[in-house]
Amino acid sequence: DAGITQSPRHKVTETGTPVTLRCHQTENHRYMYWYRQDPGHGLRLIHYSYGVKDTDKGEVSDGYSVSRSKTEDFLLTLESATSSQTSVYFCAISPGGQGSNEQFFGPGTRLTVL
Amino acid sequence: AQSVTQLDSQVPVFEEAPVELRCNYSSSVSVYLFWYVQYPNQGLQLLLKYLSGSTLVESINGFEAEFNKSQTSFHLRKPSVHISDTAEYFCAVSGSSGTYKYIFGTGTRLKVLA
Repeated sequence: DAGITQSPRHKVTETGTPVTLRCHQTENHRYMYWYRQDPGHGLRLIHYSYGVKDTDKGEVSDGYSVSRSKTEDFLLTLESATSSQTSVYFCAISPGGQGSNEQFFGPGTRLTVL
Repeated sequence: AQSVTQLDSQVPVFEEAPVELRCNYSSSVSVYLFWYVQYPNQGLQLLLKYLSGSTLVESINGFEAEFNKSQTSFHLRKPSVHISDTAEYFCAVSGSSGTYKYIFGTGTRLKVLA
């Protein structure tokens, strides 16, 4: 398995509080991604990173911010959590490059916003 | 921009019967195509991928998928399923260059019945 960990694995929080999820990799891959998984929607991209300090928005980025200060860590922050952000969050990594853009997924973080 | 359609949200099938999970995509550029499998309470694992070359790709556990450019499809098939194949299957598409972002379908839940 690719070396990807996510922390915490489970979190319950209250509406209006800030929340930070961490993705850590040991593969030295260039690309990192944050997705959310919801029934009937599959996985939707929130933000992604194509290098240290290089990030961009995905299709559902409102209410989320990210940071990547070093290759191995990609943080997802919910600035003020809402109930609509209750979801399972997955981090993925990819080496990128022609013919090698397979993404490897972490185990997920289940977030409940009350 | 790309999009992916998985028309079947659930597919029940008896053990040892064949199965086909359908995936159609749209894109204005050349694509890479993927099938991922997700077992309960786990992350996603790559099942197989089409990057270029032979349009028929196979996985180590008996699944295969065929890239059909004219029909913009990448259907997943297995001639004889096992109970252990019960899982959710996601089709994904990405452009063959750039930031390698994936667009996922909404998933098909395969339930293998004894």
